[in-house]
Parts: sequence; C-alpha cells; structure tokens
Amino acid sequence: NAGVTQTPKFRVLKTGQSMTLLCAQDMNHEYMYWYRQDPGMGLRLIHYSVGEGTTAKGEVPDGYNVSRLKKQNFLLGLESAAPSQTSVYFCASISSRDSSPLHFGNGTRLTVT
Amino acid sequence: GDSVTQMEGPVTLSEEAFLTINCTYTATGYPSLFWYVQYPGEGLQLLLKATKADDKGSNKGFEATYRKETTSFHLEKGSVQVSDSAVYFCALRRFGNEKLTFGTGTRLTIIP
Repeated sequence: NAGVTQTPKFRVLKTGQSMTLLCAQDMNHEYMYWYRQDPGMGLRLIHYSVGEGTTAKGEVPDGYNVSRLKKQNFLLGLESAAPSQTSVYFCASISSRDSSPLHFGNGTRLTVT
Repeated sequence: GDSVTQMEGPVTLSEEAFLTINCTYTATGYPSLFWYVQYPGEGLQLLLKATKADDKGSNKGFEATYRKETTSFHLEKGSVQVSDSAVYFCALRRFGNEKLTFGTGTRLTIIP
C-alpha cells in the first residue's frame, strides 16, 4: 500500500536551472495538490487538480507549472529556479467525498543556490 | 473565507504531562475537522478527525471534540510521551470544497 509517492526526495539546483517533481498516488483519488512548507509559514498551496487534465492555481503559483495527464500522477515543474523556491514540497491527494482526509507524500527537499 | 487559528508554539512539556493544543475555526456550514501530525523529516499524517458537531475523534491517546457552539476542535492527551514530539496541524474541509484549510502548526517538544 504505497499511498502517495514523491520523487526525488532531495535535490540541489543552481539558479536558473529547471526540474520536475513527480507525485504518484495509487488510491484512485480525484483531487491532487502541491504544497510548499517553509519555516514558520505552515503549508501554502501552490497548485491543485480536481481531475485528469485539469489544474488550478493556489495561493503561491508564481514560478511553478503543473500537469495532470494521468489521474494517478501530478507533476510540478520549475522552469527557472530561484533561491526563493528553496523549500520542502509536499504532494497530497484526497477523495472527492467531503469527510475524506488528505493523504501526504514524504516530501521533496529542494535547495536552490 | 475559511480560516483556522492554532495556539502558537513552540510548546515544551515534561513526559507524562497533560497536553492541550487549541484550535478554533471560521467557516460557513458544517465543515469536517482534522488534526494532522508531522514527525521530523516526514509528511503530514492524519491523527484524527470529526465530521459533525459533538463528534469526538480519537487516536493514539489523543482526543478532540467538535464544538460547534465555540467553533473549536482542541487537541488533548492525558499523558504525553517523548515520541509525541512533532508538529501538529489543525485543518478543516468545508462541504463541497475541494481544498483543506490548515492552521500554521504547533511544534510540540516533550522532554524526559
């Protein structure tokens, strides 16, 4: 029972480089999310998706793009990384049923130098 | 809009002490309420939940009661252990909303 799997776990980028974070869930959840977590800031929603082929902006979308080509996968892209994007990134998924809880991956720690 | 307010941390307690972490919320209707726990280096895990007024969620010795009249969902544990050291997040999900609203988290440290 894998749940939500994020790859990679750690990454170091130089300013201006690009990368893609992959999230995969095996629970057949409709909704998927990308959050970032910074010290003292709690969780902030970057982008989310309510179904295959659909995405929407969260609180802090600038500098990120996402795609959901398959129901089980949600990709987060950084086209030109900046030091302000140094953070821990969490993917999560949830069933569309209202009382369902969010299931989180273990996070990707990204450092941009 | 929806909001969740948690007591600010960090909170430091001795082992076997009684724990309360306050959480109040603002939302229309009758949201589902959740407590999540985040251990060092890990993602958030669901600790407990309650889906309607007066429901009590419980897990691993932790409890929280959905109080509609005070719009609160305080987390309690009678006797904490060192292994309870973590960050705790209160959250709500409003009916028909695909997003959860989180509090800012409370860091708890238990000393032996």
